[in-house]
Amino acid sequence: AQSVSQHNHHVILSEAASLELGCNYSYGGTVNLFWYVQYPGQHLQLLLKYFSGDPLVKGIKGFEAEFIKSKFSFNLRKPSVQWSDTAEYFCALRKAAGNKLTFGGGTRVLVKP
Amino acid sequence: EAGVTQFPSHSVIEKGQTVTLRCDPISGHDNLYWYRRVMGKEIKFLLHFVKESKQDESGMPNNRFLAERTGGTYSTLKVQPAELEDSGVYFCASSQDFPSGRWETQYFGPGTRLLVL
Repeated sequence: AQSVSQHNHHVILSEAASLELGCNYSYGGTVNLFWYVQYPGQHLQLLLKYFSGDPLVKGIKGFEAEFIKSKFSFNLRKPSVQWSDTAEYFCALRKAAGNKLTFGGGTRVLVKP
Repeated sequence: EAGVTQFPSHSVIEKGQTVTLRCDPISGHDNLYWYRRVMGKEIKFLLHFVKESKQDESGMPNNRFLAERTGGTYSTLKVQPAELEDSGVYFCASSQDFPSGRWETQYFGPGTRLLVL
């Protein structure tokens, strides 16, 4: 069965610092990959997604992620965070032939002003 | 365009009682999913409807959980009788049904926080 692992449960950083959240998955077939974000008091929102093509995917709010197939990774990055990026971030996988999403455990990010 | 809505936002019940959660998907979305996040754990898939049919219910924990989607519009998830371990956040998501399913993106509702005492 497929699985998704997010390395950090909690990340604390200051505004303007760079952010990188790790995501590794376990599945040998073709996958679609997603990063969702949940801001305090809000619902899960899609940040970005990878289906095929360019492995460097740009999403909303200045986020990007890189799919490295050889490393089974899909790390999320943002060069300079803002206080408003405080949220919980979820990496998710879907088998290309499937429908359901498999989520990682989430990473809580706190950006100090 | 209205997003996915869920009702209630919170529910506190006693062990042994029944609770029914409702999800209204985005209009025109044939796919409807239920997920659950137990505190401290990852979000886990429960089941998937395509219109009114259950496509995949492999994530349903046991027969105390019953999901329906009569008429292919809104869905309900009933827990009867509720147990302590059912506490968590129940998310609903919906998506369009592309022919190959390849480009599907799921849009999530705000979730229902269920606490079983």
